[in-house]
Amino acid sequence: AQSVTQLDSHVSVSEGTPVLLRCNYSSSYSPSLFWYVQHPNKGLQLLLKYTSAATLVKGINGFEAEFKKSETSFHLTKPSAHMSDAAEYFCVVSDRDAGNMLTFGGGTRLMVKP
Amino acid sequence: DTAVSQTPKYLVTQMGNDKSIKCEQNLGHDTMYWYKQDSKKFLKIMFSYNNKELIINETVPNRFSPKSPDKAHLNLHINSLELGDSAVYFCASSQIAGGPGETQYFGPGTRLLVL
Repeated sequence: AQSVTQLDSHVSVSEGTPVLLRCNYSSSYSPSLFWYVQHPNKGLQLLLKYTSAATLVKGINGFEAEFKKSETSFHLTKPSAHMSDAAEYFCVVSDRDAGNMLTFGGGTRLMVKP
Repeated sequence: DTAVSQTPKYLVTQMGNDKSIKCEQNLGHDTMYWYKQDSKKFLKIMFSYNNKELIINETVPNRFSPKSPDKAHLNLHINSLELGDSAVYFCASSQIAGGPGETQYFGPGTRLLVL
């Protein structure tokens, strides 16, 4: 069975400093991995996804994530936080054994201080 | 143009009532989904429809009945609403069902509050 653990429920950074949102997954097959962002009272927007191509994936708004199979991780990073990055971030896994159904992590709330 | 739209955006109702939430996608996708996000932000799939046919039903009470009049619409009807149904409901769509790494596009959500 597939599962996702987001290790931090809240992360607080200062504007202009790096962002690291951690995600570990469990999957019985080669997974696809996604990061979605949810701004307050908004829907979910895809930031980036990994589907067995390059392990370093670049997304929108300067975010990127690295797939590390040996560590079963897919951490999300950004070199310099912006106030507009404050939102809820979800790490998501899907694999063939689960019918490619999406399984969401519990979410990480990113707060950006001025 | 909005890719996946939902109406209403907010829904406040009494216990025991019956209500519907509508979803439409203009992306030409074959597959549509309903998700429930609880008060702790946890998201879980409820249903998936491919070209008007049900393909996933994740142990959802039969008070919830999805209806797909055509592949661009997937409406959610809820009978006899309970307090525990209060949540945010998201509709989503994807090009094909169950494709590896298939991206799902989400609507803005419907915030349901049952009093």
